[in-house]
Amino acid sequence: EDKVVQSPLSLVVHEGDTVTLNCSYEVTNFRSLLWYKQEKKAPTFLFMLTSSGIEKKSGRLSSILDKKELSSILNITATQTGDSAIYLCAVDRDTQGGSEKLVFGKGTKLTVNP
Amino acid sequence: ETGVTQTPRHLVMGMTNKKSLKCEQHLGHNAMYWYKQSAKKPLELMFVYNFKEQTENNSVPSRFSPECPNSSHLFLHLHTLQPEDSALYLCASSQEVFWKLFFGSGTQLSVL
Repeated sequence: EDKVVQSPLSLVVHEGDTVTLNCSYEVTNFRSLLWYKQEKKAPTFLFMLTSSGIEKKSGRLSSILDKKELSSILNITATQTGDSAIYLCAVDRDTQGGSEKLVFGKGTKLTVNP
Repeated sequence: ETGVTQTPRHLVMGMTNKKSLKCEQHLGHNAMYWYKQSAKKPLELMFVYNFKEQTENNSVPSRFSPECPNSSHLFLHLHTLQPEDSALYLCASSQEVFWKLFFGSGTQLSVL
């Protein structure tokens, strides 16, 4: 059965700290891995990763995919209170037959204290 | 604002009520989705519509009935729900099926 596992499930840090969130997956016919940030209710898209070893960056956030290790990390440097959110990892897979294609992890709840 | 609007934001209903959730997207996307998010569980896909046609029903009980009158609007009709159906219901849209989803803010549903 396809699955996506995120760790840690929750994390509390102080402003200015650097954090690393982990996502590992076991899916057939991997196509891409996506990171979302969910604050309040609506998940918002952060990154899509398809190739191993190529880092995607957006400001203080960066992410990289390791297809050999079937995993990805999301780094946040110099954290701010506004980074407090649930970070969701999802894996998109190719299917023949129309079954569900996007598999989500449970998320990592990040709390950044002032 | 993601371009996907859901109403209502909160809903409390009894087990015998009938209610509907509404979703509207202003992004010109072709695919729309309903997801369920329960506490401590991953997002669960419920339904997928592509160009108004339902392409996936992820073994959802018949007490949930989706409707997609056009590519911009999606409804979820609810009737005789159970307390375990209490959850956050998220609508999403994308240009292509399962490619970079944009989510709405969700409807927090409580079934008493």
